[in-house]
Amino acid sequence: AQSVTQLGSHVSVSEGALVLLRCNYSSSVPPYLFWYVQYPNQGLQLLLKYTTGATLVKGINGFEAEFKKSETSFHLTKPSAHMSDAAEYFCAVSRNTGNQFYFGTGTSLTVIP
Amino acid sequence: ETGVTQTPRHLVMGMTNKKSLKCEQHLGHNAMYWYKQSAKKPLELMFVYSLEERVENNSVPSRFSPECPNSSHLFLHLHTLQPEDSALYLCASSQGGRGGGETQYFGPGTRLLVL
Repeated sequence: AQSVTQLGSHVSVSEGALVLLRCNYSSSVPPYLFWYVQYPNQGLQLLLKYTTGATLVKGINGFEAEFKKSETSFHLTKPSAHMSDAAEYFCAVSRNTGNQFYFGTGTSLTVIP
Repeated sequence: ETGVTQTPRHLVMGMTNKKSLKCEQHLGHNAMYWYKQSAKKPLELMFVYSLEERVENNSVPSRFSPECPNSSHLFLHLHTLQPEDSALYLCASSQGGRGGGETQYFGPGTRLLVL
């Protein structure tokens, strides 16, 4: 069975500070991993994904994430937060077969001026 | 128009009404999805339609009825809903296929309020 845990439903950082959003998954086999962002009154937008290959994945808007199999983690980071990064962030996993995604409960990021 | 579109964007309905949500994707994808997004809960997958599979979440009440007439259109028919069904309903599409790992592209959602 797949599950995704996002530690911290709310994270606040100062503008220019490091952003770290945590995601851990449970899976019997290495899954595919995704981070999505949701701005108010909008749908989810893909930030980045890991399928195979390099474990450090770079995405849009300066975000990146590292797949650590030994820790079953896929934490999202950004070196310097911008006001425009304030949004809801979702981690998701999918199996290596089929089309189903499993989402975490989301982390709301607030950026303080 | 590009991407995934959903209509209406907002819907208020009484518990005795019948309404339908519409989703259209312009990406040439083969799989489409309905999700329910409620506050403080993970996105709940309701239905999946693809060339390879049709999946229904067994916990979804029968008052929600999906229809997928072709690979570009997906409907969610609603009848005799309950106030707890108030949520954001998101449609998504992906390339589909058995290999997994395909990115899902989301529409902006329909905000539903059941009175």
